[in-house]
Amino acid sequence: GENVEQHPSTLSVQEGDSAVIKCTYSDSASNYFPWYKQELGKGPQLIIDIRSNVGEKKDQRIAVTLNKTAKHFSLHITETQPEDSAVYFCAASFGGGGFKTIFGAGTRLFVKA
Amino acid sequence: DAGVIQSPRHEVTEMGQEVTLRCKPISGHDYLFWYRQTMMRGLELLIYFNNNVPIDDSGMPEDRFSAKMPNASFSTLKIQPSEPRDSAVYFCASRTSGAQSEQFFGPGTRLTVL
Repeated sequence: GENVEQHPSTLSVQEGDSAVIKCTYSDSASNYFPWYKQELGKGPQLIIDIRSNVGEKKDQRIAVTLNKTAKHFSLHITETQPEDSAVYFCAASFGGGGFKTIFGAGTRLFVKA
Repeated sequence: DAGVIQSPRHEVTEMGQEVTLRCKPISGHDYLFWYRQTMMRGLELLIYFNNNVPIDDSGMPEDRFSAKMPNASFSTLKIQPSEPRDSAVYFCASRTSGAQSEQFFGPGTRLTVL
């Protein structure tokens, strides 16, 4: 079945450094790849997304890249700040199956001040 | 809009009791999703509805779990009887039509079954 793998499970960086989280997906029909940030005690919140017809997208300190051939996509956070500390989830949406979204296992990011 | 609303925020119950979780999606959203989040299994999709009709319930763990959506503004997830292994955070999310539209999550219900 559909599967999304996410690495690493935990990431610790120094404030100001960059953080990279990588995901792979199994279904080549996937065409939408959102990234969610979940803070303690809250639900996941969309921070950026990318569609299959685009290779890269940037929004201030956050960027996502997509390699459809390799079925890889990545989240890049530059100039990390303590408030970036949270759990990040990648996801892939399988449009052909009726809008089902499969989430990765999550990456717990710690940004040390 | 107030966003997706879930109630209760916390629920503590004893094994064998019935538990009902409630969700009010964002007005105008025609897709509603129920997820369960645990440390061991991450974020799992349990069931989702389109225009109040269940589309895919393959993620519902067993017959003790049931979900309904009687109208466009209300959904319930019921566990009867509850078991300690059902302890988790349950999220409701909603979205508009289209495979590439954003899902908005509620704050979740933290369920503890003793």
